[in-house]
Amino acid sequence: NAGVTQTPKFQVLKTGQSMTLQCAQDMNHNSMYWYRQDPGMGLRLIYYSASEGTTDKGEVPNGYNVSRLNKREFSLRLESAAPSQTSVYFCASIGQAIEQYFGPGTRLTVT
Amino acid sequence: GEDVEQSLFLSVREGDSSVINCTYTDSSSTYLYWYKQEPGAGLQLLTYIFSNMDMKQDQRLTVLLNKKDKHLSLRIADTQTGDSAIYFCAESEASNTGKLIFGQGTTLQVKP
Repeated sequence: NAGVTQTPKFQVLKTGQSMTLQCAQDMNHNSMYWYRQDPGMGLRLIYYSASEGTTDKGEVPNGYNVSRLNKREFSLRLESAAPSQTSVYFCASIGQAIEQYFGPGTRLTVT
Repeated sequence: GEDVEQSLFLSVREGDSSVINCTYTDSSSTYLYWYKQEPGAGLQLLTYIFSNMDMKQDQRLTVLLNKKDKHLSLRIADTQTGDSAIYFCAESEASNTGKLIFGQGTTLQVKP
């Protein structure tokens, strides 16, 4: 049971480049989430998916798109990266219980 | 909208008790959480409290909830150097979507 996995762990992009952050969970959870963490601001929700086939915007969705590929996988795409998107990105999932399980994070730098 | 506030930094000596405080605005939150983040790692759930409880104790951890003042605290007894980390308070959004609203995080520094 790997829990929540994220790839890549680190990434450096130039302004305007695109990339997809991958997230997968093997706990058969329905709901999955993408957060970004910035110093002094805690975690802010970008997008979430309550179940396979559905996605909804969170607090800070601008500049991002998501895909809930299947029950296991929830990807986050930056179409045209900007320096303001330099951050640590966390994926999380939750099943029937109340605990959210977090992945190890992807550290993204946009230059 | 909902908001969660925490002080940013706390420094204690090893063996002392640590108290990390949090205030929140959404009185309809079902659960309130404490997460721990060690350097370079993801978030680990430490403990949570249901909104109809006043206190929860789990080994060295004690959570106190004052619903009237919308104040949540985490007390760590006999603080160890391994407790040095960032501690996040979070509340569940009332819409029952599983969304969490996080505070800014409190960095706990434990001096030997």
